[in-house]
Amino acid sequence: DAGITQSPRHKVTETGTPVTLRCHQTENHRYMYWYRQDPGHGLRLIHYSYGVKDTDKGEVSDGYSVSRSKTEDFLLTLESATSSQTSVYFCASAGTADTDTQYFGPGTRLTVL
Amino acid sequence: GEDVEQSLFLSVREGDSSVINCTYTDSSSTYLYWYKQEPGAGLQLLTYIFSNMDMKQDQRLTVLLNKKDKHLSLRIADTQTGDSAIYFCAESETGANNLFFGTGTRLTVIP
Repeated sequence: DAGITQSPRHKVTETGTPVTLRCHQTENHRYMYWYRQDPGHGLRLIHYSYGVKDTDKGEVSDGYSVSRSKTEDFLLTLESATSSQTSVYFCASAGTADTDTQYFGPGTRLTVL
Repeated sequence: GEDVEQSLFLSVREGDSSVINCTYTDSSSTYLYWYKQEPGAGLQLLTYIFSNMDMKQDQRLTVLLNKKDKHLSLRIADTQTGDSAIYFCAESETGANNLFFGTGTRLTVIP
């Protein structure tokens, strides 16, 4: 499996505060993804990146922004956290876009009070 | 997004076979994946099948694809307690860059 880490692994914050989650991969993968996992919804794509400084929106991008200044790092920012953003967030990466699969990080559990 | 549906729960006794089902709506699906998520962990790819295949076997895992009915199943033979996890079906038209996941099926193995 690809070496993907996420930090922090757990975070509790208050409504209205900014939050940044970090994803780091050591496989030199070109593609990186942020998902949220909620009961009854499976995984839903928030944003993805297809290269340094190249990002695009996913299915549930409202309220989130991302940045990718280096191949190995993909940051997810909640500018002003809301309770509806309480979720488990997963990062994934992939080497190519066609036949390869996505490799997932361990997840970050975020609670917004 | 595309619809990928799974039943939420499945319980089986240790040693029995488990069959986890998935249906999808995208007739252009080319890749169909099964992922496993253990408690507190990320998703781990178990296996995948191309849409031009009917079946794929890998040790205790058998994947069956009925493309006409858009139905995918994962059979786990001789289910063990270590197989207890959430299993996600995912489909893609183009490969890794555009995956749509089902809701996941929580498999509980009863000793």
